[in-house]
Amino acid sequence: GEDVEQSLFLSVREGDSSVINCTYTDSSSTYLYWYKQEPGAGLQLLTYIFSNMDMKQDQRLTVLLNKKDKHLSLRIADTQTGDSAIYFCAEGLSGNTGKLIFGQGTTLQVKP
Amino acid sequence: EAGVAQSPRYKIIEKRQSVAFWCNPISGHATLYWYQQILGQGPKLLIQFQNNGVVDDSQLPKDRFSAERLKGVDSTLKIQPAKLEDSAVYLCASSLDRQETQYFGPGTRLLVL
Repeated sequence: GEDVEQSLFLSVREGDSSVINCTYTDSSSTYLYWYKQEPGAGLQLLTYIFSNMDMKQDQRLTVLLNKKDKHLSLRIADTQTGDSAIYFCAEGLSGNTGKLIFGQGTTLQVKP
Repeated sequence: EAGVAQSPRYKIIEKRQSVAFWCNPISGHATLYWYQQILGQGPKLLIQFQNNGVVDDSQLPKDRFSAERLKGVDSTLKIQPAKLEDSAVYLCASSLDRQETQYFGPGTRLLVL
């Protein structure tokens, strides 16, 4: 069945780069997404990558996709304390529904 | 552009009671989703609507959960009767169409005592 796995916790110093990793199982996924969730809030779309791309850069965010290994990563450059949140990786399944399968989330802690 | 609206934001009920959540999607979005997010987990899809028709409700516990999207706009999700394990955040999301980017509301936090 479909499954998305993430590491649970990452701690970095302010100004460093953060790299959050994700693996998925469904090779037919269309898009892969990164969402951010701050305490008590809903999910905010950060960025996404189409499954036939290898890399996408959006300001401080860089997404890398290794389709062969079914591995997705999100790099945040110059991490700030405001980046502290839970980050969810999600794969969009092919087919009629556009259903998203989410990982369990990675808590990013940014220390001053 | 207004985002996805949900109410109430918080709800505390006792087990075996009933509860209802409301969602207003982004204007013009044909597809509406309800997700359940249990503490420490990622969201899990409960039901997906395309306009006012159900596309996927395979993960919806139909003995106690029901949802409708009358007129293809607003939607309500109901739980009756609630169990302790229903304590979670219920997230509504919408997209222009299937396979389009999903935008999430702030969620309703349910605590069942």
